[in-house]
Amino acid sequence: GQQLNQSPQSMFIQEGEDVSMNCTSSSIFNTWLWYKQDPGEGPVLLIALYKAGELTSNGRLTAQFGITRKDSFLNISASIPSDVGIYFCAGPPPSNTGKLIFGQGTTLQVKP
Amino acid sequence: DGGITQSPKYLFRKEGQNVTLSCEQNLNHDAMYWYRQDPGQGLRLIYYSQIVNDFQKGDIAEGYSVSREKKESFPLTVTSAQKNPTAFYLCASSILYRGAEAFFGQGTRLTVV
Repeated sequence: GQQLNQSPQSMFIQEGEDVSMNCTSSSIFNTWLWYKQDPGEGPVLLIALYKAGELTSNGRLTAQFGITRKDSFLNISASIPSDVGIYFCAGPPPSNTGKLIFGQGTTLQVKP
Repeated sequence: DGGITQSPKYLFRKEGQNVTLSCEQNLNHDAMYWYRQDPGQGLRLIYYSQIVNDFQKGDIAEGYSVSREKKESFPLTVTSAQKNPTAFYLCASSILYRGAEAFFGQGTRLTVV
């Protein structure tokens, strides 16, 4: 099946640092979703993007819908230990089957 | 409170036995999904349903079966035909339009011994 490519696969950063991750597709997407998964839990929606070029913030998190509609970016500012987890991008494939596809995830570790 | 409930949280089964994972939602969502997650990996779609009494295979449906007799419920059966069933299983639901946000349950960790 079609996949979204996320990078980096993992990050190990110092508390207080800013974090950037991205998600790319070979096809155009009309929606980009960003989720966070804590260990042993289900993913929780962080930010939803619906318009090319859109920039949306949720606290220390900022996400952007790429102007080409083939990519999206998530930034976390001033990281704290509770930011640890796996971050997933997701979106509906062009085939309009009603399902979402997910990136492979970016694992974030924060050193206090 | 509205949400998605998966049960049980942890499940152990002997090899060769079928096992059914429960997923219930009270969000009045039309669409429901089952994903499988293996350690260090992303989410792979097993089955999804957009309406009662109808469902479609995802990318890794072999060895799994589902039913959708009620809007609120979408149970997943892991059959003995699934060669490597030990994994973390996630259920999700959404309203029915393209690009709708999916909401996830807490997951069921299945271990087959």
